[in-house]
Amino acid sequence: DTAVSQTPKYLVTQMGNDKSIKCEQNLGHDTMYWYKQDSKKFLKIMFSYNNKELIINETVPNRFSPKSPDKAHLNLHINSLELGDSAVYFCASSQDLRGTEAFFGQGTRLTVV
Amino acid sequence: EDQVTQSPEALRLQEGESSSLNCSYTVSGLRGLFWYRQDPGKGPEFLFTLYSAGEEKEKERLKATLTKKESFLHITAPKPEDSATYLCAVHLSHSNSGYALNFGKGTSLLVTP
Repeated sequence: DTAVSQTPKYLVTQMGNDKSIKCEQNLGHDTMYWYKQDSKKFLKIMFSYNNKELIINETVPNRFSPKSPDKAHLNLHINSLELGDSAVYFCASSQDLRGTEAFFGQGTRLTVV
Repeated sequence: EDQVTQSPEALRLQEGESSSLNCSYTVSGLRGLFWYRQDPGKGPEFLFTLYSAGEEKEKERLKATLTKKESFLHITAPKPEDSATYLCAVHLSHSNSGYALNFGKGTSLLVTP
């Protein structure tokens, strides 16, 4: 019974396309996050939501738009994909805004060709 | 400005050969220092949280310690299954009372039989 699950695990798409990544957590947590891990394996925060409210919005192009339909789900939609968007995207959740231990999903490897 | 620096970048140990990984940080008002383990193709897995200098935590062959400037992850008599990338992170405050993990670049550990 996976705590934080993301779909799809792999995503290969052409430049200019629009794609979405879905994330669900069954831990009853209030806060969810999107992190990006680049080719050098460096993990950086992109967004966080708390009870469906956007809390953190780091310097990310407007082409990236997170959406949280309820506190158990946080999706990431990316418009007009570019080569530089290729990375592994991780969803995570924590109990609350204080962000004690975070639980991560398995990641979505996005490849833009 | 790097706030979390991990060393070494890569470490190769023989089974049973104990060693330590280093994480130095420059944030003021530390709200928590976290250690995660990441296996290839998977999301980071939480190991420890340390909050104050002098604090120590142990789990099997791993022991994490914290000073005012750095944290160490000591690995005693490692086994090949300890091979992974070990990530250190600190909590950073963002706007709207949100906190997110600020990760170092990790230490890639390989333990050979």
